[in-house]
Amino acid sequence: QSALTQPASVSGSPGQSITISCTGTSGDVGGYNYVSWYQQHPGKAPKLLIYDVSNRPSGVSNRFSGSKSGNTASLTISGLQTEDEAHYYCGSYTSTTTVVFGGGTKLTVL
Amino acid sequence: EVQLVESGGGLVQPGRSLRLSCAVSGLTFDDYAMHWVRQAPGKGLEWVSGINWNGGGIAYADSVKGRFTISRDNAKNSLYLQMSSLTVEDTALYFCAKDVGSIARNLHCWGQGTLVTVSS
Repeated sequence: QSALTQPASVSGSPGQSITISCTGTSGDVGGYNYVSWYQQHPGKAPKLLIYDVSNRPSGVSNRFSGSKSGNTASLTISGLQTEDEAHYYCGSYTSTTTVVFGGGTKLTVL
Repeated sequence: EVQLVESGGGLVQPGRSLRLSCAVSGLTFDDYAMHWVRQAPGKGLEWVSGINWNGGGIAYADSVKGRFTISRDNAKNSLYLQMSSLTVEDTALYFCAKDVGSIARNLHCWGQGTLVTVSS
């Protein structure tokens, strides 16, 4: 159950777009369309942004989008806003019926 | 409004046991799989365990397998985590989370967490 690989940090300016990658294996990201993305502000519970690779729950802005190619999933945030500054985690269902998270990416909005 | 409220955390000595509870309201509880996730101070998320809608399909992270037991009582709209043989590495904020669906794959709504501190 190795953690998925995410960049430790990314940054962008308001209005720009950024992409966060999440790399796993054929036993998790590559093998199933059950990749999810979470946003966590300091001191708060995580919030689901994307599930099943590219689906948005009700109430989540369409500025957030997800995709997958092979063993790597991606979260794209368009029209970056200051309130997007947070930690972002990817998660994936695995071949052993567990869930594994990435190490997290800190997004800084400059 | 969906609400998840964890309880049962606290200070416990290494080697002891603790039982966490999660009370869920605002939804049809037995339509959904449930999860426990933890976050050590200043660290990332670690998935701990999941359970499908009917109490089947139980899975654990390797780090807790054999020590933790997840269960649910659909009549009481509640989720539980029995933790035994606790070590300092189990110190974390423990969240319960409702899945998007009936199989434990995606974590939709989260509680605010209950803090478990393992220390002598």
